[in-house]
Amino acid sequence: QSVLTQPPSVSGAPGQKVTISCTGSSSNIGAGFDVHWYQQLPGTAPKLLIFGNSNRPSGVPDRFSGSKSGTSASLAISGLQTEDEADYYCQSYDSSLSGSVFGTGTKVTVL
Amino acid sequence: EVQLEESGGGLVQPGGSLRLSCVASGFTFRNNAMSWVRQAPGKGLEWVSVISGIGGSSDYADSVKGRAVISRDNSKDTLYLQMNRLRGDDTAVYYCAKGGRWLPFDFWGQGILVTVS
Repeated sequence: QSVLTQPPSVSGAPGQKVTISCTGSSSNIGAGFDVHWYQQLPGTAPKLLIFGNSNRPSGVPDRFSGSKSGTSASLAISGLQTEDEADYYCQSYDSSLSGSVFGTGTKVTVL
Repeated sequence: EVQLEESGGGLVQPGGSLRLSCVASGFTFRNNAMSWVRQAPGKGLEWVSVISGIGGSSDYADSVKGRAVISRDNSKDTLYLQMNRLRGDDTAVYYCAKGGRWLPFDFWGQGILVTVS
């Protein structure tokens, strides 16, 4: 049972902007722990997309951006491209569980 | 280039045991926390366990606590996960990942399939 809640799916036309929400609680995101985001293309291992709420690793396009407020975080993909079709997961740390927690995952479809 | 390569997966009967290994290269292994993350078929990601760089501390998800032991050999740049009393719901692709706790998982292995049946 995932501790962080994401919408099951979002979709958009090429070039549009989509946003994925990640809702947590006072023991994880609301406690001040960073949120990280991962992209998982079909049949491959997850890849770090955003770390520390809003930072992009080298090589990640600036079309991807992250933010955090209160007990929630969000990932925005602007200028949507066909290669962005993937599953996206948020992740944080939970002090009550003493461990990392992942979001439920969101499938992005490019129409 | 950071590389993580898992091995040791396969088919195991319920109640059996398995030890997964992950050989790391391309970074200073002993300076980094390492984790195991799994993904059941068609499901989302689930964190399993983390161990500190020197191996002095570890944590486990409730779903594996008491049945799993994470360890590392810094002389061999290798991470391990011993899984005991395996159940059907342990069937998953197991990923070795660099990082853990409040740090991001910044590099992942390709994953290894464990089937309990």
